[in-house]
Amino acid sequence: DAKTTQPPSMDCAEGRAANLPCNHSTISGNEYVYWYRQIHSQGPQYIIHGLKNNETNEMASLIITEDRKSSTLILPHATLRDTAVYYCMNSGGSNYKLTFGKGTLLTVNP
Amino acid sequence: DVKVTQSSRYLVKRTGEKVFLECVQDMDHENMFWYRQDPGLGLRLIYFSYDVKMKEKGDIPEGYSVSREKKERFSLILESASTNQTSMYLCASSFVGLESSYEQYFGPGTRLTVT
Repeated sequence: DAKTTQPPSMDCAEGRAANLPCNHSTISGNEYVYWYRQIHSQGPQYIIHGLKNNETNEMASLIITEDRKSSTLILPHATLRDTAVYYCMNSGGSNYKLTFGKGTLLTVNP
Repeated sequence: DVKVTQSSRYLVKRTGEKVFLECVQDMDHENMFWYRQDPGLGLRLIYFSYDVKMKEKGDIPEGYSVSREKKERFSLILESASTNQTSMYLCASSFVGLESSYEQYFGPGTRLTVT
């Protein structure tokens, strides 16, 4: 079962920052937070992960609260191609399996 | 860029047929995974392999087997296809390690229909 909660949907204007929240209040001290997205009819795509420090890569930034109970994925300049379902998850699943919750459907509008 | 390829994008098979789904990755990843994804059920792990000839059962291995003879290739076999195996099949790969193993790279998926 997924150990994270996310809003079911969000809208964002093209060119604006998209901020996607995730609650992971039961995360253990050695578990990482991972973000993936899935565009319709494609395989999931890894975005970013972190433990407790904020992280940034070419796709996004990840802000993790000090108590690690929640995080925010930031897409700094959303494009139409960023429309997808975004999933956050904790590590710790057996056999390294990915366990997604229902995710957030982000719709980027022109 | 990591590339994971799957042998077919769409596949239609008859009940009782033996079905082979092939997955190849070009990043020298040790770990490879087979998942299936169904509406309302999310992503479910079928099998996992952490090295050549090594495999571990996932959550739903019944009706499936796997083969990993080479590091870059991981095959999923449906011994006798049934209609309840109609699904999207996704292959993924990653490096080993507590942190790296969850950084998985997926293929485009094979949408299998069993009639």
